[in-house]
Amino acid sequence: DIVLTQSPTTLSVTPGETVSLSCRASHSIGTNLHWYQQKTNESPRLLIKYASQSISGIPSRFSASGSGTDFTLNINNVEFDDVSSYFCQQTQSWPTFGAGTKLELK
Amino acid sequence: EVQLVESGGGLVKPGSSLKLSCVASGFTFSSYGMHWIRQAPKKGLEWIALIYYDSSNKYYADSVKGRFTISRDNSKNTLYLEMNSLRSEDTAMYYCAKSRGMRAPFDYWGQGVMVTVSS
Repeated sequence: DIVLTQSPTTLSVTPGETVSLSCRASHSIGTNLHWYQQKTNESPRLLIKYASQSISGIPSRFSASGSGTDFTLNINNVEFDDVSSYFCQQTQSWPTFGAGTKLELK
Repeated sequence: EVQLVESGGGLVKPGSSLKLSCVASGFTFSSYGMHWIRQAPKKGLEWIALIYYDSSNKYYADSVKGRFTISRDNSKNTLYLEMNSLRSEDTAMYYCAKSRGMRAPFDYWGQGVMVTVSS
C-alpha cells in the first residue's frame, strides 16, 4: 500500500493567516492526489483533485500543488469556517488516505 | 442535487451480519463507480470496497476481503454492503461515495451510517 504522511497533525492559526498543509507519499503517485475537508460530525468534502485542480463551489482561498511524492494544500486568509480536518488521498493504486491535519483557531 | 443516503447501521454482536444500503439521486447512478469507506471513531478514513458502474468488477481492502460483499442494483439506484463475521474492529461510520473511475477522486459522499460491533 502507498502510505500518505500528513503534517502537522494539528495546526493552530489566527484568522487571516495563510497556512500550508503537507502530504508526503511513500511512493511516487504522479498527480493522483486529492484533498478533502471534513468538519466535525460531517462527511468529507472534495476540495482539490489531481494535486492542483480546483473544484466548483470551493472558495478560491484553497489551492494546492505538488507531484510525485510531495504535496501541499494552501489556505489563504483562514476563516472561522475553515476549522476542520483535512485529509489527502491517493488513487495511484488502491485508495489510501493520510491521517489528517486538524486545523484549529487560536 | 447529488444525494447519497446510507441506512442499515446499528449495534450488533461480534460474529453477526449486517447489510448497509446507499440510495443515490441527482445523477446517473448506472454510470459511476461506487465505493464504501469507513472511519473508526476519532480515526482516519479507510477505503474498503469499490464496484464498477456495471458490477463487472469488485475490489476490496484486505481488512474486509472474504467477509464483506459490495453490490448494486442500478434499477433501484442503490448500492449495498453486506457485512458478515463482524468484529469489534469493524466499528465505524460507513460512507458511500461516487467516483468517475479507478483513479478518480470521490466527488460526493453520503452522510454516513454508524455500525457498532460489541457484545
